Amino acid sequence: GAVVSQHPSRVICKSGTSVKIECRSLDFQATTMFWYRQFPKQSLMLMATSNEGSKATYEQGVEKDKFLINHASLTLSTLTVTSAHPEDSSFYICSATPGGSGNTIYFGEGSWLTVV
Amino acid sequence: TQLLEQSPQFLSIQEGENLTVYCNSSSVFSSLQWYRQEPGEGPVLLVTVVTGGEVKKLKRLTFQFGDARKDSSLHITAAQPGDTGLYLCAGAGGKLIFGQGTELSVKP
Repeated sequence: GAVVSQHPSRVICKSGTSVKIECRSLDFQATTMFWYRQFPKQSLMLMATSNEGSKATYEQGVEKDKFLINHASLTLSTLTVTSAHPEDSSFYICSATPGGSGNTIYFGEGSWLTVV
Repeated sequence: TQLLEQSPQFLSIQEGENLTVYCNSSSVFSSLQWYRQEPGEGPVLLVTVVTGGEVKKLKRLTFQFGDARKDSSLHITAAQPGDTGLYLCAGAGGKLIFGQGTELSVKP
């Protein structure tokens, strides 16, 4: 079946540096991908909608200059956390929907980010 | 802004007990999904309900969509330790919006 893959699954970075997380749809094209953030034992919070070939749409309260999203192809979206701080440490999850499949949504495995 | 209120947020029960998780909103959703998530993994889809009043069963799990498509419930019969996990409802209406989640712990 359809698979969405995230990389890296775990990353540790120093405070003040930037880190990139990739989300790939492995066997389908996704014009839209979504990025979520999740703190331990909490729900998924939608951060932004990533649109292929255009600017991402950010949810209220999410800093677009801090969380850079690039959807350069129909199978790849990247989330870059710039000038990371310890409070950015979280579980980041992406999801993607194949075009024309209704509400079928596929989630990635998630990426653990720890900022030290 | 569409919001989903999920309750209870934490639930600890003994094996064999029944439980119900509720998901409520003031907004109408085109469909509503229930997910289960293990720590450190992405959520796994359990069911999608689309029609108002719809009831779906998945073994010991029963899902219901409200007539007005604003609320849903998940009922688990005779809970087992393997049911332990985070249960999430999510409403679809262009983008997927999640409820706060219910952390379920089933003790043997």
